[in-house]
Amino acid sequence: EDQVTQSPEALRLQEGESSSLNCSYTVSGLRGLFWYRQDPGKGPEFLFTLYSAGEEKEKERLKATLTKKESFLHITAPKPEDSATYLCAVPYSSASKIIFGSGTRLSIRP
Amino acid sequence: GAVVSQHPSRVICKSGTSVKIECRSLDFQATTMFWYRQFPKKSLMLMATSNEGSKATYEQGVEKDKFLINHASLTLSTLTVTSAHPEDSSFYICSAGRRPNTEAFFGQGTRLTVV
Repeated sequence: EDQVTQSPEALRLQEGESSSLNCSYTVSGLRGLFWYRQDPGKGPEFLFTLYSAGEEKEKERLKATLTKKESFLHITAPKPEDSATYLCAVPYSSASKIIFGSGTRLSIRP
Repeated sequence: GAVVSQHPSRVICKSGTSVKIECRSLDFQATTMFWYRQFPKKSLMLMATSNEGSKATYEQGVEKDKFLINHASLTLSTLTVTSAHPEDSSFYICSAGRRPNTEAFFGQGTRLTVV
């Protein structure tokens, strides 16, 4: 069964304190893994797509990496404006739709 | 990234009335769009897949007569919540991708409140 699991559910960091968010997946024939950021009351904003193990992508303080079983979203020296819910998602192995993880609520204290 | 526009962003309606939400892909054509519902502090729950020129595909447990979906063109899908009740109050979000199984781009979401 296709599944996406994110951890931790919530993470509170001090400004400047680096950390990582985890996204584990089980899907046959991965066709991409997507990361999104969602602010309260808004639709998710696309961040990255990763296609193969070993691939990395960066955007400002965020770096996403991918292995054969999981993906990490590393946040370096975060700022309060990085506070949001971060979602990962993968396409279903047998359907043209995407399955989302439950998200990690990230809170950065000044 | 691609642009998906959703309208309205907020709507309040009376119990028993119907509400229509529009989702447009502004800079690409989308043969498939997706409609989600999101409860507070929860992840996205896929309601249905909207297919241009054919019937929508609903997820298990979603009432197709309650949530009417029309995808009349390659850039517009609509979700109509019929005979709305307070329990239909929620955050509804649409998405579309340039190609199947690639990253999806989301609308801004619609906060529906039924009073």
